[in-house]
This record gives sequence, structure tokens and C-alpha cells, in this order.
Amino acid sequence: DGGITQSPKYLFRKEGQNVTLSCEQNLNHDAMYWYRQDPGQGLRLIYYSQIVNDFQKGDIAEGYSVSREKKESFPLTVTSAQKNPTAFYLCASSIEGTGDSYNEQFFGPGTRLTVL
Amino acid sequence: GQSLEQPSEVTAVEGAIVQINCTYQTSGFYGLSWYQQHDGGAPTFLSYNALDGLEETGRFSSFLSRSDSYGYLLLQELQMKDSASYFCAVHPRSGGSYIPTFGRGTSLIVHP
Repeated sequence: DGGITQSPKYLFRKEGQNVTLSCEQNLNHDAMYWYRQDPGQGLRLIYYSQIVNDFQKGDIAEGYSVSREKKESFPLTVTSAQKNPTAFYLCASSIEGTGDSYNEQFFGPGTRLTVL
Repeated sequence: GQSLEQPSEVTAVEGAIVQINCTYQTSGFYGLSWYQQHDGGAPTFLSYNALDGLEETGRFSSFLSRSDSYGYLLLQELQMKDSASYFCAVHPRSGGSYIPTFGRGTSLIVHP
């Protein structure tokens, strides 16, 4: 079965601790993305990666870090610098889009992070 | 930058037809897409409009008018399982990359 997995589904951390969210895909997609979702806010882009060993900041990258050492994996670290980390985090992947072609995003099931 | 406006909530009865509107402001874009997300779940792709006009996929249709900076998702023969949030997204022309900007979503509530 091809798809995207995120683990864990629910995560609790104490304030001031860094935490890493896992995202793995076996769709052979080049592009991967991290979004944050808050109630009534839609999906906001944190980071994205179009190719291994390269990634770019999205709209709300402050307080987050990522790595892309393998095509299949794009972990997100929520650092203690993130002022309001409690949220639902979604990882997605797609075939790299170019020009006028459209490539839908495939989303993982999400990780709900609660910082106490 | 880009901005999108969607109604926050729409209600309808089972079997009816409902239209979810999306207006946007962007300086050039590839197209408009729609995603569905059930509560607590992952968003899933519904449709994409690269050109003006109507795209039909089963009970769902999506429309785009670039001249009016407007699009909509039309859901026919509503079923209870259609209760979900629906997001429109624009795909801007931005330095050759292809990153969508999502609206805040519309919560559709279908009543029996």
C-alpha cells in the first residue's frame, strides 16, 4: 500500500522541550510539505522540500526545523522557540510540479501536538 | 501575496445541492483546487481547475472564472458523509515552484 505515514497520532510534551514529528512516504514523490492547522485557520505552510538535501521556508517557519536526508522522509522538529506549538500538523507529498501541470498533494493522517 | 475568502460554514439537507464559494486575490496563478477534510482526518483532493469553466467529477463539480477571481464547488445529491470541511487553494506562479495557498475552509453540515 502506497501512502504517507505520520507518527505518532497524538503527542504531548512539556513546554520548553523540542519534539520531532515523523513523516514517511513510499509514493516515490520528490516534493514534501509540512502544514500547521489551527481551528478556523486553514492550512499554513511551515516548510517544503522539492528534492533531497534541499528545503525552503514556508509562511510560518519560525520555531521549526526540518531535514531531508532521504527521499522518503521529511521529519519536522518543533523547537522551544515556537511560541504556540499546540496544533494539528499535517505532512504532504506530491510529484514535483512544473509549469502548468497540476500535481495533487497527498496528505498523511496528521499528528496532534499538545504542549502542556 | 495571495488571499482567499470562503464562508466559514454552510448547512444543507440530505439530497439537496449546495455551492461553496471561493474568492481570491492573487497576481497570476496556475489554477484553483479543492480539498475535503473530515473532522480530525487528512485532507483529500477533490478537483482542480486550470481553465475557466466547469469540471465535473461524479456528484462534485468545480467552477472557475479568472476574470471574476471566483470559483465554487458544487455538491449534488448531498449525503450525510459529505459533512466535512472544504478548502479551496490557489496555485500561484511563484519563481517556478508550485506551492498552494489554502483558504480557511468551509464547514459543511448536512442534516437528515
